[in-house]
Formats: sequence, C-alpha cells, structure tokens
Amino acid sequence: DAGVTQSPTHLIKTRGQQVTLRCSPKSGHDTVSWYQQALGQGPQFIFQYYEEEERQRGNFPDRFSGHQFPNYSSELNVNALLLGDSALYLCASSLEGRSGYTFGSGTRLTVV
Amino acid sequence: KNQVEQSPQSLIILEGKNCTLQCNYTVSPFSNLRWYKQDTGRGPVSLTIMTFSENTKSNGRYTATLDADTKQSSLHITASQLSDSASYICVVMVGPNNGAKEGGGFKTIFGAGTRLFVKA
Repeated sequence: DAGVTQSPTHLIKTRGQQVTLRCSPKSGHDTVSWYQQALGQGPQFIFQYYEEEERQRGNFPDRFSGHQFPNYSSELNVNALLLGDSALYLCASSLEGRSGYTFGSGTRLTVV
Repeated sequence: KNQVEQSPQSLIILEGKNCTLQCNYTVSPFSNLRWYKQDTGRGPVSLTIMTFSENTKSNGRYTATLDADTKQSSLHITASQLSDSASYICVVMVGPNNGAKEGGGFKTIFGAGTRLFVKA
C-alpha cells in the first residue's frame, strides 16, 4: 500500500522563476493538503484540495496556487519565487470527513 | 485564537536517559491530538493519537498523556536511543465545524516542535 509520494525530492530555483511540485495521495484518500515548513519551524498550512477544488486556504499570497486531478493527485505551483520561499514543502492526504493525515517525505525547495 | 505551543524548543539528552516534551493548546472545538516524529528533511510520522476521553497512549518507548481540563499533553520517551534524535511535533485537530467552509470541517494546528538531540 503506497503512502504519499512527492516529487521531486530536492529542487533548486532562481529568484523570479516558477516551480511546480507534485503529490500522489495515499491509496483510498481523496483530500490533499499542502504545507510549507521553514527550517526549525512547524508546518504552515497553504491550502487543501478536495473534488478538484481549493476548499481551504492559509495565509499565503496568490503566488501560491494548486490543482487537483481526477485521480486525486495534486500540484503546488509557486510563481515569482522569493528567497523566503526556500523551505520543505509537505503534502498530506486524508479521507473526506476523517481527521487523520498521512504525510509525504516532502520536497526541499531552495531559491537562490 | 487556535494555538499550539511546545516546550522546550530544543533538548539534548544522553543515550539511555528518559525525557518529557510538553504541548499546551488553546483550540475549540477539540477533536484529537497527535504527536509526530519528524526526521530532518522528511515528512512527519504519526506516533500517537488521542481523543478527548483518552488520558494516555503508548507506542513502544513513547507514551503520550492528555489532560483535557488543563489542555496539556506530554510525550515521554523512555530509554532514549540515538535514532530518537528528531523533531517532535504536537498537532491538534480542531473540528468538526458543521457548515463551515473549512475542508471536511477539520483544521490542523501545528506546534513549532521540539528538537531532540540524543548523544552517545
């Protein structure tokens, strides 16, 4: 039973560029949430996708956008990258109506 | 305001020793509380989950306690091992909020974590 899969594992981008991160949820899960975790901090909620729509959003600018596909996988897009966007980006999947989350191993994004 | 605060921020202990990590929360309505272990650069892995009615839950050398009256939880690690070096994150699930716009009626509130270093 595959858990949550994220790709790529590491990424280096230049300021101003755009990036796309990918997440495949755990089998049987239909909801995907994205988090940003700066070094030494707890994860900060970015947004959640369910039924291919953004259903909940944290305090992140519009540069952060996402998408969910019919197979429940999801993408996180960040435009006009800033140095402060450097972080570990975590994807967590869950089943609608249930409170448990399963996390992926994350994508380490470095903006230079 | 929903908040989760953890202490200490970091902790250094010798291999074989015990330690206790603290989590205080202010959330409403409370659904459950989880402790996660997060190795550097990896995703969090769930250690324990407790609902309102549960006072203690064990997972091997990890024992979590919950006091719903004082809104405090602790994670006790017994006979620490080098592999216990990691961040330990307290996560409180808030909800469900009937009719709320939030997804599934639940919201996750993360603590900043306690960084544990176990030395030989």
